[in-house]
Amino acid sequence: DQQVKQNSPSLSVQEGRISILNCDYTNSMFDYFLWYKKYPAEGPTFLISISSIKDKNEDGRFTVFLNKSAKHLSLHIVPSQPGDSAVYFCAANAGTGGFKTIFGAGTRLFVKA
Amino acid sequence: KAGVTQTPRYLIKTRGQQVTLSCSPISGHRSVSWYQQTPGQGLQFLFEYFSETQRNKGNFPGRFSGRQFSNSRSEMNVSTLELGDSALYLCASSLLGESSGNTIYFGEGSWLTVV
Repeated sequence: DQQVKQNSPSLSVQEGRISILNCDYTNSMFDYFLWYKKYPAEGPTFLISISSIKDKNEDGRFTVFLNKSAKHLSLHIVPSQPGDSAVYFCAANAGTGGFKTIFGAGTRLFVKA
Repeated sequence: KAGVTQTPRYLIKTRGQQVTLSCSPISGHRSVSWYQQTPGQGLQFLFEYFSETQRNKGNFPGRFSGRQFSNSRSEMNVSTLELGDSALYLCASSLLGESSGNTIYFGEGSWLTVV
């Protein structure tokens, strides 16, 4: 049962343009959502998070949007840079989730110079 | 402040052997989680420990086990290794003991190859 889904395995974007990575979830108990970035042969790096009481959180070039009614969140990267090329994981956890953070399958972002 | 440290970084084992991986969390973090990443797969949850107690376990066979020590350091063990156990094993730690609002921070991972 995939509770966190990233339906796009890959995304290609031109440098300077916006990258939009999408994520859907099924468990309505999730109340905290996170995005991680992962380069090959390295551990995932925490990027940004959002609580379910908010619908937007911004940190520099990264903005996460949450639509609770649609059980959907997205990560916007503006402007995209070649160094942003990596795999991005969406994740979620819940106060009653049994102390585990659930991850999506990841989306590989290619930013072309 | 040092991050999450995992050892060893790379190892090769033979089918049937067992392996122990070690994780030192960020100083002050008491929760440690373990994940498995295989090619083309996301991060699969193995288990989570807090104050030396396993609080949750993923859908892995009993060959996968772990423990946490009083200093919050953790180890995971895989016995009777199979070829399919070849993966990147990631340890993550967090400050909060609760699940909600909990940001976990990962180590570099241990690459296990089973031949």
